[in-house]
Amino acid sequence: GQSLEQPSEVTAVEGAIVQINCTYQTSGFYGLSWYQQHDGGAPTFLSYNALDGLEETGRFSSFLSRSDSYGYLLLQELQMKDSASYFCAVRDSSGYSTLTFGKGTMLLVSP
Amino acid sequence: EAQVTQNPRYLITVTGKKLTVTCSQNMNHEYMSWYRQDPGLGLRQIYYSMNVEVTDKGDVPEGYKVSRKEKRNFPLILESPSPNQTSLYFCASSPHGTDTQYFGPGTRLTVL
Repeated sequence: GQSLEQPSEVTAVEGAIVQINCTYQTSGFYGLSWYQQHDGGAPTFLSYNALDGLEETGRFSSFLSRSDSYGYLLLQELQMKDSASYFCAVRDSSGYSTLTFGKGTMLLVSP
Repeated sequence: EAQVTQNPRYLITVTGKKLTVTCSQNMNHEYMSWYRQDPGLGLRQIYYSMNVEVTDKGDVPEGYKVSRKEKRNFPLILESPSPNQTSLYFCASSPHGTDTQYFGPGTRLTVL
């Protein structure tokens, strides 16, 4: 099996930069994904890293270090609408399509 | 519009009364999956399907059944629901070989 650790809550102000970390323990590894979920809504895909390094998509970036079993999601120029839960997820080695999610990080953006 | 749909969106039922939650996607995705979401536990995978007639257990399959007779549909069946299956359920689909999952709007189930 596998486990993922991410902070339960992060707070920041509008316009700031925030980093949400995720460490994982897996028997195998295919890649690290990030999803955003607003209260009461469905998760939506943000990014995916299979190789080491930084992937940038607009205000959001995601980083992966396979050797450290660590990744993070970086949100820049925070806006109130970024207040949501953010989940990291890894794929299990026992089957390509078994996806395990972390428990999620609630981001609260204040004015 | 490309989407994943689930029905019903809300359901209150009683212990032991069989129910089915439907899931349908119009994106011709090979892969489909069911998750449940509980406070403090995040999303946990129940079952997934790599393609028609191919299904496999996720992390929490007990008390659930699925079928994949058509590519677009992946219903979740609770033969004898119990109160511990009260949860928010999400269906998701993705093209084969990618990690981009598209989630349905969710079904909030309460078992009394």
